[in-house]
Amino acid sequence: GENVEQHPSTLSVQEGDSAVIKCTYSDSASNYFPWYKQELGKRPQLIIDIRSNVGEKKDQRIAVTLNKTAKHFSLHITETQPEDSAVYFCAASIGGDMRFGAGTRLTVKP
Amino acid sequence: GAVVSQHPSRVICKSGTSVKIECRSLDFQATTMFWYRQFPKKSLMLMATSNEGSKATYEQGVEKDKFLINHASLTLSTLTVTSAHPEDSSFYICSIQLGPYEQYFGPGTRLTVT
Repeated sequence: GENVEQHPSTLSVQEGDSAVIKCTYSDSASNYFPWYKQELGKRPQLIIDIRSNVGEKKDQRIAVTLNKTAKHFSLHITETQPEDSAVYFCAASIGGDMRFGAGTRLTVKP
Repeated sequence: GAVVSQHPSRVICKSGTSVKIECRSLDFQATTMFWYRQFPKKSLMLMATSNEGSKATYEQGVEKDKFLINHASLTLSTLTVTSAHPEDSSFYICSIQLGPYEQYFGPGTRLTVT
């Protein structure tokens, strides 16, 4: 089955800096790659996603890139703010079968 | 997005008892719902796929007789943890799928078994 690896597990940046989180997946049939932000005790919130026919997608300060050949995708957050602090999960999906990475705890220091 | 609710949000039960968790899709009909569990500081692990009107599909290692799933309508799926034990204490989250891709999560249910 699909295996998703996510790095780093923790990331600390200064406010205003950029943050990059990387994920790799194993199943080349995966065709949907969402990123979720989860605050403590809350539900995961979809922040951005990308489908396998697209290489890059941007939404304001957040961007995601996908390299299908290498089977990796990344989340880029620019101009980070303290409210960006949370745990971020990547996922890879085939149909509805979604597998999550282990998560990255992002801390943005003011 | 979709609005998904779960009830209860928190539950404490004694070892050996059963607990039912409800997942409702409030604004979309959901043929398929998913149940995940999440241990503290860990990732979401898919437990089972709940299909309206048919049996759930369980992931490897998930005991179907312990985690009973019923998807009786297009807006409601229930997860019953039977004969709960302390190791079943976890955060249980459901989700619904809209179209072929996006999943939207419920707020989760924190189960504590004493």
